[in-house]
Amino acid sequence: KQEVTQIPAALSVPEGENLVLNCSFTDSAIYNLQWFRQDPGKGLTSLLLIQSSQREQTSGRLNASLDKSSGRSTLYIAASQPGDSATYLCAVNTGNQFYFGTGTSLTVIP
Amino acid sequence: NAGVTQTPKFRVLKTGQSMTLLCAQDMNHEYMYWYRQDPGMGLRLIHYSVGEGTTAKGEVPDGYNVSRLKKQNFLLGLESAAPSQTSVYFCASSYPIPTGFPNYEQYFGPGTRLTVT
Repeated sequence: KQEVTQIPAALSVPEGENLVLNCSFTDSAIYNLQWFRQDPGKGLTSLLLIQSSQREQTSGRLNASLDKSSGRSTLYIAASQPGDSATYLCAVNTGNQFYFGTGTSLTVIP
Repeated sequence: NAGVTQTPKFRVLKTGQSMTLLCAQDMNHEYMYWYRQDPGMGLRLIHYSVGEGTTAKGEVPDGYNVSRLKKQNFLLGLESAAPSQTSVYFCASSYPIPTGFPNYEQYFGPGTRLTVT
């Protein structure tokens, strides 16, 4: 069974700092990996999707990388802002099913 | 486009009561999913559907039933609610990315917070 782990569970950084969130998965047989943002009491918003054949994807200040063979992905956030405060979740797609990590709760301090 | 909508947003049930959660999407997506989110557990897939009239079990299907009579709607039913079903329920839909192999990006609804007492 696919297991997805996100470390750290919580992270607090001062505004302007660059940061990296980690996601690891146990079975490398995935089709893609998706990063989501979840604000308190809200649904999930898709940030980036990396296909299994890709190494990275970029959107604005966000950059996600994927190393499928080692079962790892990172989400890099440049020049963090207080508005980036949220929980970040990664999910791997194995075909018809998705497996989620438990998320990293990020707080950016003004 | 409204995207993915869920009804109701909040509900309190007593043990043994039944209810149905409704998910609707207006993006003409083939795939739809029901998840539950519990503290420290992440999102877990309950049931999913790969098209109108089809459903399949996910990771935690016990105590739930689903139906997909119309492409745009996916219903989640609790026949006899239990306190262990207290959770936040999310619906999602997805479409295949045209890259030549199965590849799906998910879109989520705002969630339904269910409390069973």
